[in-house]
Amino acid sequence: GAVVSQHPSRVICKSGTSVKIECRSLDFQATTMFWYRQFPKQSLMLMATSNEGSKATYEQGVEKDKFLINHASLTLSTLTVTSAHPEDSSFYICSARRQNEKLFFGSGTQLSVL
Amino acid sequence: SQELEQSPQSLIVQEGKNLTINCTSSKTLYGLYWYKQKYGEGLIFLMMLQKGGEEKSHEKITAKLDEKKQQSSLHITASQPSHAGIYLCGADILSGTYKYIFGTGTRLKVLA
Repeated sequence: GAVVSQHPSRVICKSGTSVKIECRSLDFQATTMFWYRQFPKQSLMLMATSNEGSKATYEQGVEKDKFLINHASLTLSTLTVTSAHPEDSSFYICSARRQNEKLFFGSGTQLSVL
Repeated sequence: SQELEQSPQSLIVQEGKNLTINCTSSKTLYGLYWYKQKYGEGLIFLMMLQKGGEEKSHEKITAKLDEKKQQSSLHITASQPSHAGIYLCGADILSGTYKYIFGTGTRLKVLA
């Protein structure tokens, strides 16, 4: 079955630093990737939709300059949390989709900002 | 407002009891998925429903999608502590463009 690899699984960083999270589709080309974040005791909230070769579409309330998404190839999308602060601490998860097929999810990244 | 509403928000049941979780949308769903999760961990895919009126079962879990494809239910029979976790419905919706969103989530606790 299709596999989506997300890295790192856990990251701890100091306030003010930037953190990059990678999402790779290992055995298929993903035309669309989605990024979500999850706070404790809450559901997964869609942050942005990323289409290869075009700018990401951000959901209302998500800061584009804060959460930089790059989908440079059909197998890789990255989410960079710029100048991270403690309130950015959260669980981030990506998903990837082949054209008109079901989604496959990464295993998530737990970000802790000190 | 949430486009996919789940109810109840949380649920505590005694082991052996049956329970039902609902997922409701105001829009037609293009495929409805159920997942189980623990916070900070990945998603465990449970079931996918695509056709109106469809029903699927796996072990003690049964999921249904209504004829209008706007509401789904997840039913657990004779619950066990291993069923505890967060249950999420997910679906493709058309909101400008197609996007995949999750329901508000249901936290289930099963008391031994």
